[in-house]
Amino acid sequence: AQSVTQLGSHVSVSEGALVLLRCNYSSSVPPYLFWYVQYPNQGLQLLLKYTTGATLVKGINGFEAEFKKSETSFHLTKPSAHMSDAAEYFCAVSENAGGTSYGKLTFGQGTILTVHP
Amino acid sequence: DAGITQSPRHKVTETGTPVTLRCHQTENHRYMYWYRQDPGHGLRLIHYSYGVKDTDKGEVSDGYSVSRSKTEDFLLTLESATSSQTSVYFCATGLGSPLHFGNGTRLTVT
Repeated sequence: AQSVTQLGSHVSVSEGALVLLRCNYSSSVPPYLFWYVQYPNQGLQLLLKYTTGATLVKGINGFEAEFKKSETSFHLTKPSAHMSDAAEYFCAVSENAGGTSYGKLTFGQGTILTVHP
Repeated sequence: DAGITQSPRHKVTETGTPVTLRCHQTENHRYMYWYRQDPGHGLRLIHYSYGVKDTDKGEVSDGYSVSRSKTEDFLLTLESATSSQTSVYFCATGLGSPLHFGNGTRLTVT
């Protein structure tokens, strides 16, 4: 069974400050890992994903995440927050089952990011 | 815009009535998914499809059925709606994992 824990349901930063959203996962097999962003009244948008290869993954809007197997973590970072980054962020995991998992993602509960001027 | 249209966007229905939600895609993606989003639970997979007439259950499939007769359409049916099915429902498409989501259908069961 797989699970995802996002540490902190709310994170608040100042504009220009570092953004760090924490995600830890549990999986019995090598995982695929994802970060999604959701703006109010919209669906989720894929920010980035890790499947295999390089453990530092760069995504859209200046975000990146690093897969750390020893820590079972996939934290999302951005060096300098913008007001437009305010949204809810979801970490998700799926099993790396021979190249396909039919999208059986397990999502974390979400972290709401607030950016103060 | 990934070409996903969900209809209706909002619906209020009474307990015990059947409800069908529609997802239409223009991307010709093989995989389509239905999720529900509830506060404190993130998103949970209801059903998914890996091709026309090929569907399977997700983690919260009880009380729901799906059909996919064409690549572009994926229907979610609540045979007899209950108050516990009040939620926001999202359709997603992808090439293996969900890459694009629709804007959701807010369903209220009274």
